[in-house]
Amino acid sequence: GESVGLHLPTLSVQEGDNSIINCAYSNSASDYFIWYKQESGKGPQFIIDIRSNMDKRQGQRVTVLLNKTVKHLSLQIAATQPGDSAVYFCAEASGYSTLTFGKGTMLLVSP
Amino acid sequence: DSGVTQTPKHLITATGQRVTLRCSPRSGDLSVYWYQQSLDQGLQFLIQYYNGEERAKGNILERFSAQQFPDLHSELNLSSLELGDSALYFCASSPQRGGFQETQYFGPGTRLLVL
Repeated sequence: GESVGLHLPTLSVQEGDNSIINCAYSNSASDYFIWYKQESGKGPQFIIDIRSNMDKRQGQRVTVLLNKTVKHLSLQIAATQPGDSAVYFCAEASGYSTLTFGKGTMLLVSP
Repeated sequence: DSGVTQTPKHLITATGQRVTLRCSPRSGDLSVYWYQQSLDQGLQFLIQYYNGEERAKGNILERFSAQQFPDLHSELNLSSLELGDSALYFCASSPQRGGFQETQYFGPGTRLLVL
């Protein structure tokens, strides 16, 4: 497969570890945030979203934390598996605006 | 499988040519979005259509155009192609019933190579 970007920040973890992927956003008016996972050669896949009236939201093995004070978003993946290896994008939107995507972080999981 | 389909999967063409990329949204979704993903630019929003009408425009070149048909499928037309247009082109769809931002579901993409 091909990588989706050059010079992406990379997080390398061991299988079974917990992973934390961080994202800083710039628009203080953003009120909707999404995390996507993109595997090599595939389209971005929705993982989890959160609106600005929440600080935390949990899914299956994933948790998104939102800190509006410092404009920071994080994605926590519990018990990371080799199948979690991918590029992870955060995206933000305010009101009726379209999504603005971050540059992405590559997660590499070693068995 | 997101339910969004895109054709073709791969496209190889020459500079100066014109191509059309096709997208079928998820059943029931009214909004279609087009994105370009290149190695050095990440995911760039191009244009959004909602129920047949253009709703938002991003970094779309004048050589590019799109439309959404009554059956809600969409086409992205790229003309006078240049080497730099080589990229992955993704379509996404969302219900957009409330007007505010909702989750967008992405198709598998079309890989365009301009030689």
